[in-house]
Amino acid sequence: EAGVAQSPRYKIIEKRQSVAFWCNPISGHATLYWYQQILGQGPKLLIQFQNNGVVDDSQLPKDRFSAERLKGVDSTLKIQPAKLEDSAVYLCASSLDRARGFTDTQYFGPGTRLTVL
Amino acid sequence: AQSVTQLDSHVSVSEGTPVLLRCNYSSSYSPSLFWYVQHPNKGLQLLLKYTSAATLVKGINGFEAEFKKSETSFHLTKPSAHMSDAAEYFCVVNLPGSSNTGKLIFGQGTTLQVKP
Repeated sequence: EAGVAQSPRYKIIEKRQSVAFWCNPISGHATLYWYQQILGQGPKLLIQFQNNGVVDDSQLPKDRFSAERLKGVDSTLKIQPAKLEDSAVYLCASSLDRARGFTDTQYFGPGTRLTVL
Repeated sequence: AQSVTQLDSHVSVSEGTPVLLRCNYSSSYSPSLFWYVQHPNKGLQLLLKYTSAATLVKGINGFEAEFKKSETSFHLTKPSAHMSDAAEYFCVVNLPGSSNTGKLIFGQGTTLQVKP
């Protein structure tokens, strides 16, 4: 079974530029998550989708971050404009079924390492 | 508020000796608990999870963890460390949120170093 795919793996940009990350979840997984992992910290949830609807975006800095999941499969996360403090690894994860969300296992992609100069 | 605390930011062991990574949680609910491992430049991989069944949970690669409600702990152990175990380990709590989304709350992580 193919895992969660993410691209690009690495990205270097200057502050105030924009950037986009792509995620393809495991086939058949209804729920998709984006996390931000700052160096030396555990991942923090940015946004959660159930199919193509947003379930939780309470931690997403909406003035500069946006995300979409068209057709309930692939997802993109965008930052515009980027700030120095956005330097982090952005992780995408997926899980099978929100109805089992309390114990559902999340499967993570390899992440995109973003460096903002 | 719900949270998870990993008591050691760095643990160093010799190859072949036991591993103990400590985790405490606070929760108003009965949580689900996970341990994830992250190797350099790799994604997070699930080691094991506790979901209110047996309190002693066995995972991959010889790891296991014991849920102790009275101590609010979920420590990760392995009888004999291998060089390939060197990585970052995260203790994770999965709690129902206001929309029953099952948010993951990650600990700060413990770096495991294995010396030859």
